Amino acid sequence: EIVLAQSPGSLSLSPGERATLSCRASQSVTSSYLAWYQQKPGQAPRLLIYGASSRATGIPDRFSGSGSGTDFTLTISRLEAEDFAVYYCQQYGSSPITFGQGTRLEIK
Amino acid sequence: QVQLQESGPGLVKPSETLSLTCSVSGGSISTYYWSWIRQTPGKGLEWIGYIYYSGSINYNPSLKGRVTMSVDTSKNQISLTLNPVTAADTAVYYCATGRGAYFDFWGQGILVTVSS
Repeated sequence: EIVLAQSPGSLSLSPGERATLSCRASQSVTSSYLAWYQQKPGQAPRLLIYGASSRATGIPDRFSGSGSGTDFTLTISRLEAEDFAVYYCQQYGSSPITFGQGTRLEIK
Repeated sequence: QVQLQESGPGLVKPSETLSLTCSVSGGSISTYYWSWIRQTPGKGLEWIGYIYYSGSINYNPSLKGRVTMSVDTSKNQISLTLNPVTAADTAVYYCATGRGAYFDFWGQGILVTVSS
């Protein structure tokens, strides 16, 4: 099973700042089959990025994903108020599908 | 736009069976793979398994032996059973699907508590 470690566990930033979230896999993720999700309290996760760098339908271009192999990054270029939430990475290249433990993005 | 709605009992007794149904609208059940995912404060998001309308199934080994999924194409529904359950199975259960093995579409989730 591929274990995904997300860092930092929490991040405190101000609107307008840049956020960089990391997801490190315990072994190489096949074909960059890595996705990112945003989750707000009381809601289901929302797909942001798939294939490591492809934005899902309707996702603003301030969200971008990069990386390959074992190291992946989600960048939010200019934080807006609605971006403060918990972010999860997920790998789907190997079974079982696994998720990271999440990064909480908080308003400073 | 695919819409998913989970339903089932919110309380299950230890050692009994958890049974949930996911109703699908806005899309064909024969188009995607359908997954169940659960979320707890302690373990985070855990993929339970997926099923395809043809019957192809893949379960998470951590739950193998206790989990069963099925598809009812006539009702556009996917079902999950977990047996026997313990307090560790208390979670919010989601059904989810997408164009790949990532998840574009999620239900709103259903909280299932295992307690006597």
